Amino acid sequence: EAQVTQNPRYLITVTGKKLTVTCSQNMNHEYMSWYRQDPGLGLRQIYYSMNVEVTDKGDVPEGYKVSRKEKRNFPLILESPSPNQTSLYFCASSSNLRRYTEAFFGQGTRLTVV
Amino acid sequence: AQSVSQHNHHVILSEAASLELGCNYSYGGTVNLFWYVQYPGQHLQLLLKYFSGDPLVKGIKGFEAEFIKSKFSFNLRKPSVQWSDTAEYFCAVNGNSGYALNFGKGTSLLVTP
Repeated sequence: EAQVTQNPRYLITVTGKKLTVTCSQNMNHEYMSWYRQDPGLGLRQIYYSMNVEVTDKGDVPEGYKVSRKEKRNFPLILESPSPNQTSLYFCASSSNLRRYTEAFFGQGTRLTVV
Repeated sequence: AQSVSQHNHHVILSEAASLELGCNYSYGGTVNLFWYVQYPGQHLQLLLKYFSGDPLVKGIKGFEAEFIKSKFSFNLRKPSVQWSDTAEYFCAVNGNSGYALNFGKGTSLLVTP
């Protein structure tokens, strides 16, 4: 089954404690992206990757890092989480947005930073 | 920069009522347009998409949307909503020259029995 898998689904952490949210897709997609969803703000793009070792900032990259060492994986790293990063995070993948295909989304990770 | 505006943040309808959710975007070039739905506690799922051709596109679950290029709009419609349509709806736009998928702020739809 084609899917985008995020882990963990729920996470509560303390300020400053480094964490990683994993994202994996089994569709051999080139394009992957991370979004955060906040009430009243919709989804905002954090980082995206066009292919292995190629990443770029989205609209709200501050406080986040990503890496793309393998095509299927695109982890989101919070080196020093802060309470304003409490949010619902979604990973998405697409074969190529520029070639008229839609994005597929993971189940989401609800992160609380206290 | 691209932006996407959804006019209604909260909509309450009775079952069998007709639905129209507005979406406007600001982007001068060729665009790809999407509507996604997010049921409570779930991830985003694609309802329908427009890339080219017939500006009236049909999606899943009886939804349709019309692309009006002159108005920069891509409104979502459904003739008769059901209780199971209660969800949040997001319009999204991708400019053909970019890699970003820009979302509107979403419209929360509540359908009452």
